[in-house]
Amino acid sequence: DTAVSQTPKYLVTQMGNDKSIKCEQNLGHDTMYWYKQDSKKFLKIMFSYNNKELIINETVPNRFSPKSPDKAHLNLHINSLELGDSAVYFCASSQEVTASGNTIYFGEGSWLTVV
Amino acid sequence: QKEVEQDPGPLSVPEGAIVSLNCTYSNSAFQYFMWYRQYSRKGPELLMYTYSSGNKEDGRFTAQVDKSSKYISLFIRDSQPSDSATYLCAMSAGYQLIWGAGTKLIIKP
Repeated sequence: DTAVSQTPKYLVTQMGNDKSIKCEQNLGHDTMYWYKQDSKKFLKIMFSYNNKELIINETVPNRFSPKSPDKAHLNLHINSLELGDSAVYFCASSQEVTASGNTIYFGEGSWLTVV
Repeated sequence: QKEVEQDPGPLSVPEGAIVSLNCTYSNSAFQYFMWYRQYSRKGPELLMYTYSSGNKEDGRFTAQVDKSSKYISLFIRDSQPSDSATYLCAMSAGYQLIWGAGTKLIIKP
């Protein structure tokens, strides 16, 4: 039974399009995240939500808009896609909001390719 | 200079070898140190977690933290082909997790 699931797994789309990635966790966690992993495998946090409230909002273009309808779901909507948005996007969750001693559980990733 | 430095590799070793993976960091406030393993086309998963300095062992894996040198290591004994993956270090002073770039490890049968 998948703990953190995200859809779609693969997405190929044209520049300028708008797309969404959905994420759900069944671990009962209070905190959810979106991470971006570039081609060099560098993992960078984009957003963090705790109980549906935005906690971390890193320097991310405002074309990226997260939405948390409830604490088990965190979706990512991207407007006006650009070539540089091509990356793997990971949804994740954890019990606590602080990073200290807190295991983060990742989904399998969504491979976004913008052409 | 990045807060956390990690050689991206790839590091290729024969099966059965002892593997040493390392990260250096600049923020002396880091207290929590983690190693995540990421298989190809999968998300990272927590492998080892250490608080402050010292060693922690779990089966074939040993995590070591040297705060005086700002240096952490992950040792893998009797390496297996199934250990082939990217290993990411991550560390925290409290609120946010800072990640290394990951080292790609290849264990040759």
